[in-house]
Amino acid sequence: GQNIDQPTEMTATEGAIVQINCTYQTSGFNGLFWYQQHAGEAPTFLSYNVLDGLEEKGRFSSFLSRSKGYSYLLLKELQMKDSASYLCAVKDNAGNMLTFGGGTRLMVKP
Amino acid sequence: DAGVIQSPRHEVTEMGQEVTLRCKPISGHNSLFWYRQTMMRGLELLIYFNNNVPIDDSGMPEDRFSAKMPNASFSTLKIQPSEPRDSAVYFCASRTTSGGAETQYFGPGTRLLVL
Repeated sequence: GQNIDQPTEMTATEGAIVQINCTYQTSGFNGLFWYQQHAGEAPTFLSYNVLDGLEEKGRFSSFLSRSKGYSYLLLKELQMKDSASYLCAVKDNAGNMLTFGGGTRLMVKP
Repeated sequence: DAGVIQSPRHEVTEMGQEVTLRCKPISGHNSLFWYRQTMMRGLELLIYFNNNVPIDDSGMPEDRFSAKMPNASFSTLKIQPSEPRDSAVYFCASRTTSGGAETQYFGPGTRLLVL
């Protein structure tokens, strides 16, 4: 089975840095995704990690440790538009299906 | 590219009625996924197709739900009869497996309310 845990909500200040954690226990693992979802909109792709380490993409970075079943999404220089839900998803061994965590709702305050 | 297209964007119906949701994947993508999202259960995979063939429908709630993909550019998700607990946002996503691409691209979703 798949079990993916993320904090339900986080609050941060504009201009600051925030780290959103994701832990997983899955029967198979073939990569981890982070998606951003604004209220009332579809999830959009942010990052993909399949090997251990940090992947940096502009203000967003994602880290993976397969041995610890752990990932985080790091958002720097927070902007008000970053207020959204952030979904962690694990891809199964067959490489087809994604199992999503419940999402972390991030509120950025002035 | 127009992205994944879903219709209708909103649907309000009465319990017992048949509901049909439609999806057009991104051209060239060979995998298609149907998800359901609710506040209580989050984003759940219902079924996915590879090259128009259903591969895994273990997430389909019950026999009232059915999905088809008659060709590479069209898929439907049908609920018959609908019940209030089916109220949710239904997303369709597509992906290509060529060239090592991994990303699923989501459509805008259909917001379904069953009264």
